Amino acid sequence: TQLLEQSPQFLSIQEGENLTVYCNSSSVFSSLQWYRQEPGEGPVLLVTVVTGGEVKKLKRLTFQFGDARKDSSLHITAAQPGDTGLYLCAGRANPGGSQGNLIFGKGTKLSVKP
Amino acid sequence: DAGVTQSPTHLIKTRGQQVTLRCSPKSGHDTVSWYQQALGQGPQFIFQYYEEEERQRGNFPDRFSGHQFPNYSSELNVNALLLGDSALYLCASSFTGTGYGYTFGSGTRLTVV
Repeated sequence: TQLLEQSPQFLSIQEGENLTVYCNSSSVFSSLQWYRQEPGEGPVLLVTVVTGGEVKKLKRLTFQFGDARKDSSLHITAAQPGDTGLYLCAGRANPGGSQGNLIFGKGTKLSVKP
Repeated sequence: DAGVTQSPTHLIKTRGQQVTLRCSPKSGHDTVSWYQQALGQGPQFIFQYYEEEERQRGNFPDRFSGHQFPNYSSELNVNALLLGDSALYLCASSFTGTGYGYTFGSGTRLTVV
């Protein structure tokens, strides 16, 4: 069974601080995605990483896929209250785009206080 | 352009009852996946439908069944409801063959009492 472990589970920080969220597995994934979910809503895709070692930036968010494609990290610079939410990583075991299911971690609940 | 639409948004059922949840995929998408998200957990894959057939299934009992219609919309049926079935049920659509990302609906919050 493939599992994705996310850490930390909860994170409460002040506006302006930096943070990193980790997503680790003993299994190899063909691709990995990061989603952000707000209460009462479905997850919204932030980024997809496919190549080992890949780094993608989305404004203040930096995503990295591990060289071995078993882990990933999300770094937020100068966090803002609008960044508050549940951050989920999800891996796809099988290659081939949208075919095949996603395996989700339990998520990191981020709270950014003004 | 409408995204993924799920109905109803909230539902309360009694143990032993049956429930049907509905999903309309994003325009242009042909694949529908269903996920169960218990409180404080990440979504768990139930099954995926493509071309009106179940293409892949997660570790869920046969009480969970589904259907996809010619217009790509989908239903999730759960029979003999248990208290543990209380969760947010998410529908995600995608287009087979291109891209990697799902578009999720806002979900149906099912409470079993």
